[in-house]
Amino acid sequence: AQSVTQLDSQVPVFEEAPVELRCNYSSSVSVYLFWYVQYPNQGLQLLLKYLSGSTLVKGINGFEAEFNKSQTSFHLRKPSVHISDTAEYFCAVRINTGGFKTIFGAGTRLFVKA
Amino acid sequence: NAGVMQNPRHLVRRRGQEARLRCSPMKGHSHVYWYRQLPEEGLKFMVYLQKENIIDESGMPKERFSAEFPKEGPSILRIQQVVRGDSAAYFCASSPLESNQPQHFGDGTRLSIL
Repeated sequence: AQSVTQLDSQVPVFEEAPVELRCNYSSSVSVYLFWYVQYPNQGLQLLLKYLSGSTLVKGINGFEAEFNKSQTSFHLRKPSVHISDTAEYFCAVRINTGGFKTIFGAGTRLFVKA
Repeated sequence: NAGVMQNPRHLVRRRGQEARLRCSPMKGHSHVYWYRQLPEEGLKFMVYLQKENIIDESGMPKERFSAEFPKEGPSILRIQQVVRGDSAAYFCASSPLESNQPQHFGDGTRLSIL
């Protein structure tokens, strides 16, 4: 069975500082990986996805993530955050052998301070 | 191109009443998923459906909860005889036939039980 662990429940950071949100997964088969963002009172929006190929994936709003197969990680990074990046971020995994069920991490709340 | 549409956005019910939550997937999407999100918690998978078929309902409570995705019309999540603990945000997502494509989420229905 697959599982996703987001190591930090909350990450406070000052505006214009870099940030890394950590995500580790466990799976006995190959997976697809996703990061979503949720703003208050809204649904989840896709930030980026890793399907195959280059391990460095670039997404919207200046975010990027790197797939590390040996460490089973998919950490999300942004070199300089804005106040508007304050939101909940979810890492998700799906097996790539034809399944559709997606497992979500518990989320990391990014709080950007002025 | 309309996204995933959920209605109502907010639903208030008294204990013992029935709650019906509707979800229209994105055009061209054949898979629908329902999730529950409690305050300060992540997404919990409930059920995954294709047209007229329940594929995976491993996250559904054994009693009072049911879901359907008829040939025509939206997917419905039904909660009978609601209790206070059913208060949560319920999110619907949809995806196309290809398993490597991400899910797209609606803005959710916030259910409050008086």
